[in-house]
Amino acid sequence: DVKVTQSSRYLVKRTGEKVFLECVQDMDHENMFWYRQDPGLGLRLIYFSYDVKMKEKGDIPEGYSVSREKKERFSLILESASTNQTSMYLCASRASTPAGRELFFGEGSRLTVL
Amino acid sequence: AQSVTQLDSQVPVFEEAPVELRCNYSSSVSVYLFWYVQYPNQGLQLLLKYLSGSTLVKGINGFEAEFNKSQTSFHLRKPSVHISDTAEYFCAVRSQGGSEKLVFGKGTKLTVNP
Repeated sequence: DVKVTQSSRYLVKRTGEKVFLECVQDMDHENMFWYRQDPGLGLRLIYFSYDVKMKEKGDIPEGYSVSREKKERFSLILESASTNQTSMYLCASRASTPAGRELFFGEGSRLTVL
Repeated sequence: AQSVTQLDSQVPVFEEAPVELRCNYSSSVSVYLFWYVQYPNQGLQLLLKYLSGSTLVKGINGFEAEFNKSQTSFHLRKPSVHISDTAEYFCAVRSQGGSEKLVFGKGTKLTVNP
């Protein structure tokens, strides 16, 4: 069965802390994504990666960075967390072929920044 | 660039009633279309998708959607809802042969009342 695992379901951090959100997929997918979900705003793409060490900015990359050193793992990094980064973070992955393949999501990481 | 509009942010219905959740998209190229469902405190899971061919697409849990190219719509329907269908539903679009990005609507919260 397909699985995308996010390491932490709930995190509480303080303003200015460095935060790592980890995501692992076991489907050998080329593409991995980080979305942010906020009430009334839907899902907004932060970053995505289409191969190891490759990354592209999404729609709201400011304040975030990512790392993909291995195919199965995609990390989201908040260098200096701020209260406006309190949100639900969703990781997803997808195979490149065939065209039209859907995203598979993890269960989400709810981050609170105090 | 693509965009997705979900016309209703909240839809309350009674159990066993029919429901339609509306989705319109804009794109200058051909697209793939998706509906995802998110149950409380969970990630998103795929309900159904339109890639090509028949415009009526059937998904899981008795849901179906119809692709209407002239109206750029992809409305989701179910003839008789259950309490367990209470969830948030997201429509999403991705261009064919183009970006890997999947663009989501802001979501429709379906509440099924007894």
